[in-house]
Formats: sequence, C-alpha cells, structure tokens
Amino acid sequence: QQPVQSPQAVILREGEDAVINCSSSKALYSVHWYRQKHGEAPVFLMILLKGGEQKGHDKISASFNEKKQQSSLYLTASQLSYSGTYFCGTEAVETDKLIFGTGTRLQVFP
Amino acid sequence: GAVVSQHPSWVICKSGTSVKIECRSLDFQATTMFWYRQFPKQSLMLMATSNEGSKATYEQGVEKDKFLINHASLTLSTLTVTSAHPEDSSFYICSARGTEAYEQYFGPGTRLTVT
Repeated sequence: QQPVQSPQAVILREGEDAVINCSSSKALYSVHWYRQKHGEAPVFLMILLKGGEQKGHDKISASFNEKKQQSSLYLTASQLSYSGTYFCGTEAVETDKLIFGTGTRLQVFP
Repeated sequence: GAVVSQHPSWVICKSGTSVKIECRSLDFQATTMFWYRQFPKQSLMLMATSNEGSKATYEQGVEKDKFLINHASLTLSTLTVTSAHPEDSSFYICSARGTEAYEQYFGPGTRLTVT
C-alpha cells in the first residue's frame, strides 16, 4: 500500500514555511525524504530511523512518529530552490524495500 | 561518494525491439539494487528488487518475462525491456544500497520512448 502524502500541492512565496505529511498503513522501520526536480532523479534529503527521531539541515527538518506511522517534513523560510516534488519513501518493518508516497508538488515564487 | 550511474540517459526504440539499461554503483558495492518506473506526474513505482547473484523479486503486476533483471556483480545491475511497446515508455530509475548504509542512492534515470 502506497503511503499517502498531504497536501498534494503547495504554493509558497519566498520566505514562507510549509509542512508535508506522509502517512503509512504499515508499521515502519524507516522513512526517507526526497526532492525531485522535473526530468531528474530524486535527490536524497534525509532518513529517519527511529520512532520519534527528528533531523534537519539548513532549514529543512523532519520528524517520525513511529506509533502513528507518520512522518512530516518541515520547510522553513522557503527558497526558490525548494521548488519540486517531494516524496517520502517508507520502509516497512518486515521488508527491505522502499515504497514511495504519492508526492507533494511544491512551488516557491519570488 | 555513493554515486550511481545509469546508461543510457535516454533511448528511443521501435516497438517490438528490446532495450537494455545498465545501473552501476561507482564507488561502493551494492548488495541490493532496486528498479523503479515513473510515469509523468506520478510517483516512483517499485518494479523489482535484486540481490547480487540471485534472482530478482518482482512486485505484483510486473511481468518478469518482460522486464528481465540481472544483478551479475556487486556494482552492476541491468534491466532489459523485452519486446517493448509504446505503453512501456517511461522514466526508469535504479537505486542501490550498500552493505553498511540505510540510504538508497539513485541513478540519474533513463528515459525510454517506444515508437
């Protein structure tokens, strides 16, 4: 079952914040976050391995609620370069494969 | 480090022909490689998982006789689309995972167009 992301799309002005959510129906071992630009392969942002783990670099951070089988990606003070489609990838407890979420398209305008 | 290459970057072929796509891990040994397919404006869909020296495990709905996967070494996996048809036109992306990493490193992708 494919993880569901919300919202499907977000439009921001530079400097605004956004939150992207990822929800799975399965017990998760890890959550990965990627950003994909049009016509390119996904670029790895971060991985969260433990329930309750939070990570971040620059102004992008993420949290993982293992009990709720959810993860959220936080983008603060967005920049034009943040534009793209964001995917979460979830790895279920019983498997070693990464299943990508439905995607969230983010557009940042000046 | 952790670079994955794919070849070719794009290919156009006629319906009925076969196409081979290579995926290489350049600076690490990939015990597991994954193949994804992505249609326009859609998410990446996992096609199969391959471990070096063993048969690939295909996801439900993926025809293993049509999409042949070979993981002959710890740095190379190939995907062959046999008897390609226009509906096989897509963006094919491989990823690789090493022995000591949780991350998957993605190749740049191969855009296949079948005419």
